Amino acid sequence: DTGVSQDPRHKITKRGQNVTFRCDPISEHNRLYWYRQTLGQGPEFLTYFQNEAQLEKSRLLSDRFSAERPKGSFSTLEIQRTEQGDSAMYLCASSLGAVEETQYFGPGTRLLVL
Amino acid sequence: AQSVTQLDSHVSVSEGTPVLLRCNYSSSYSPSLFWYVQHPNKGLQLLLKYTSAATLVKGINGFEAEFKKSETSFHLTKPSAHMSDAAEYFCVVSGGGGYNKLIFGAGTRLAVHP
Repeated sequence: DTGVSQDPRHKITKRGQNVTFRCDPISEHNRLYWYRQTLGQGPEFLTYFQNEAQLEKSRLLSDRFSAERPKGSFSTLEIQRTEQGDSAMYLCASSLGAVEETQYFGPGTRLLVL
Repeated sequence: AQSVTQLDSHVSVSEGTPVLLRCNYSSSYSPSLFWYVQHPNKGLQLLLKYTSAATLVKGINGFEAEFKKSETSFHLTKPSAHMSDAAEYFCVVSGGGGYNKLIFGAGTRLAVHP
């Protein structure tokens, strides 16, 4: 049983550069979520996909952020023109899609913007 | 709007003594509530969840939580702490809206001493 995987696990970049993260959900899961966790805080919701459709975006997701899930399987999260405030752990989760179902989280991608 | 408040940012116990991590929630409807655990450099793992069935919920690794609507609380307990329980614990409420956008508390760091 393969869980949710994320790549890369760590990313260091310079301010102003673009970065892209990938999430591979559990294979039969049709819901996929992105969260962001800053140091000392709980994760905060960023966006949600039902299959390939992006159904909700948090106000935290500025115009520099874009997420896709082109075939309803893996998802990418891109940050353009990174800022130091983007430094955080980016978490991906997936679920089967029934009401009140469990979200399974990946290990996260830790981003450091210098 | 839904929210959770974890009343202690740090809890320290001795191995073999009981654990109590406190959580209060706010919800405009009957909530789904969860406890997740995060070990260093590992992904979030679900400990237990409440979804309007039994108010006393049993989870993995000997943890349990009791849903108390009158007190709007969902405290996490374990009769006897183990060194391996040292981790960050998050109380979580479902954001509702037909899917499970999760709203996390700020976390409680549990330290277990020999």
